[in-house]
Amino acid sequence: QKEVEQNSGPLSVPEGAIASLNCTYSDRGSQSFFWYRQYSGKSPELIMSIYSNGDKEDGRFTAQLNKASQYVSLLIRDSQPSDSATYLCAVGASGGSYIPTFGRGTSLIVHP
Amino acid sequence: SAVISQKPSRDICQRGTSLTIQCQVDSQVTMMFWYRQQPGQSLTLIATANQGSEATYESGFVIDKFPISRPNLTFSTLTVSNMSPEDSSIYLCSVEDLSSGRAINTREQFFGPGTRLTVL
Repeated sequence: QKEVEQNSGPLSVPEGAIASLNCTYSDRGSQSFFWYRQYSGKSPELIMSIYSNGDKEDGRFTAQLNKASQYVSLLIRDSQPSDSATYLCAVGASGGSYIPTFGRGTSLIVHP
Repeated sequence: SAVISQKPSRDICQRGTSLTIQCQVDSQVTMMFWYRQQPGQSLTLIATANQGSEATYESGFVIDKFPISRPNLTFSTLTVSNMSPEDSSIYLCSVEDLSSGRAINTREQFFGPGTRLTVL
């Protein structure tokens, strides 16, 4: 059973701070990793994909991947109240379909 | 990325009835997926809908309960049959974005707006 673990939170940070969201996974052969943002009552929106070890930056978002530790994280710099949402980590299956398994998500609250 | 629409956006249904959810994409896609998201839970894959072949169901989901159609490369339906209150959930369709020509192990999934189902 492939597992993706996230702290459910809520993670509360002040506006302008760095929010750090973490995810661990069990499938050692996974090659693709995704972060989705889901606002309350809305569907998940893809915000980052990462496939290689190291950091990938896109605007205020940085995804970090460490395959040896089976760990992926998302950093949000200069957090804004509009970043308040649930962030879902998704990990692609190894071999075959590569269909991702989703974590339960971490609720982020950015307070003014 | 592809534009995905779902109908209905929400519904309230009586126990024992069935509801068919439609998913329409504005471009041709090979694979479409149906997920369920129960309150406070993450996304659970119900099945993969492939055009021209039977849907592939995940463990715990069966065709009699969740029949799926995929008549062409832009459309799919999911039916929730003989509903009970435990079927109350958000149902989401998603597609893989093939426009970038990515290899299969790097493909990204994009979600429709979802259908919020309440069964009384």
